[in-house]
Amino acid sequence: DGGITQSPKYLFRKEGQNVTLSCEQNLNHDAMYWYRQDPGQGLRLIYYSQIVNDFQKGDIAEGYSVSREKKESFPLTVTSAQKNPTAFYLCASSGPPLPNTGELFFGEGSRLTVL
Amino acid sequence: AQSVTQPDIHITVSEGASLELRCNYSYGATPYLFWYVQSPGQGLQLLLKYFSGDTLVQGIKGFEAEFKRSQSSFNLRKPSVHWSDAAEYFCAVLNYGQNFVFGPGTRLSVLP
Repeated sequence: DGGITQSPKYLFRKEGQNVTLSCEQNLNHDAMYWYRQDPGQGLRLIYYSQIVNDFQKGDIAEGYSVSREKKESFPLTVTSAQKNPTAFYLCASSGPPLPNTGELFFGEGSRLTVL
Repeated sequence: AQSVTQPDIHITVSEGASLELRCNYSYGATPYLFWYVQSPGQGLQLLLKYFSGDTLVQGIKGFEAEFKRSQSSFNLRKPSVHWSDAAEYFCAVLNYGQNFVFGPGTRLSVLP
């Protein structure tokens, strides 16, 4: 079945460590996104990519990095520079650029906890 | 800047009762509007969307929403709530930058 796969579902990290969250999609979508979700704050955009080998910072990119070497993959690295990394991270994708259906397809998320 | 507000942080309704979740947006043109639902620990699922045309849109699971330009609103409704509707609901707008702006969410609890 087509969809978005995020891994791992749960991740624990010690302070000062970098961690990488995986996001893979088989929907043949051009655009991919990373969101951070904290209680009561909705979803905040970290990075997005409209095409392979190109990505843009979102609203809260500091302390994060991404790559888009393949259309199917958009990994997110949470670096030690991120001061408060404990959160729920959601990866999403969407089809061709506007005008399109504009629908976002989400993975099931990765919960990162810093010990 | 575009923004989306959902005035109700938490709503509790009895099973079988009607539901309305409020959403207001700030946007300079006719927006593309969405409602998503999230079960605990899961990703978001699209309920419905509005691009143009009929201002009353039907979605999955018996939900509908009405776009009111004069009020900058896109409220979500359901005539009879089921226990399985308990979840968090997010309103979102798609801006010209092709990025989605999400509201803070409304958590729905359903009493038996």
